[in-house]
Amino acid sequence: QQKVQQSPESLIVPEGAMTSLNCTFSDSASQYFAWYRQHSGKAPKALMSIFSNGEKEEGRFTIHLNKASLHFSLHIRDSQPSDSALYLCAVSANSGTYQRFGTGTKLQVVP
Amino acid sequence: EAAVTQSPRSKVAVTGGKVTLSCHQTNNHDYMYWYRQDTGHGLRLIHYSYVADSTEKGDIPDGYKASRPSQENFSLILELASLSQTAVYFCASSDPGLTEVFFGKGTRLTVV
Repeated sequence: QQKVQQSPESLIVPEGAMTSLNCTFSDSASQYFAWYRQHSGKAPKALMSIFSNGEKEEGRFTIHLNKASLHFSLHIRDSQPSDSALYLCAVSANSGTYQRFGTGTKLQVVP
Repeated sequence: EAAVTQSPRSKVAVTGGKVTLSCHQTNNHDYMYWYRQDTGHGLRLIHYSYVADSTEKGDIPDGYKASRPSQENFSLILELASLSQTAVYFCASSDPGLTEVFFGKGTRLTVV
């Protein structure tokens, strides 16, 4: 069974800093990789996804994928207090079935 | 606007009782999912469905049943609720390529 692990478990960064979150997976046949953000007491919301090796940038957010290393990451440039949330990574072996989620990284951005 | 609606939003159930959690989507998505969230466990998949009248087991199906009577509706049934099933339950829907994934607001279930 696919194992999806995130690090660190929690993180405190100052406003304006670069934040880096990590996710490792165990199934080399994985095809779909995504990050979700969940504010306290709210539903998870999709942030970004990627299918192939490399990087993808959307605004302040960048996702890096290295399938050979079984690793992908999320980088948040110019972190804001509104970015404070639980970040969940998700992996799918075949897009169109289901995703497995990591246990999450709790991010706090302090002014 | 895309929507996944869960009901009830919170529920207190008695150990051994039957609990039904309901989910309705207006996204025209084929796939629907039930996850539970516990502190320190992220989201764990209970059941999912890709077509009406058919359900599939996820990673933690024991103690849960699911029902998909139509494309729009997906229910999670706890026949004999137990204390260990206290958690927040999320329903989600998606298209086949996972390009759109929407979650409901969650149901907080407390079993006493």
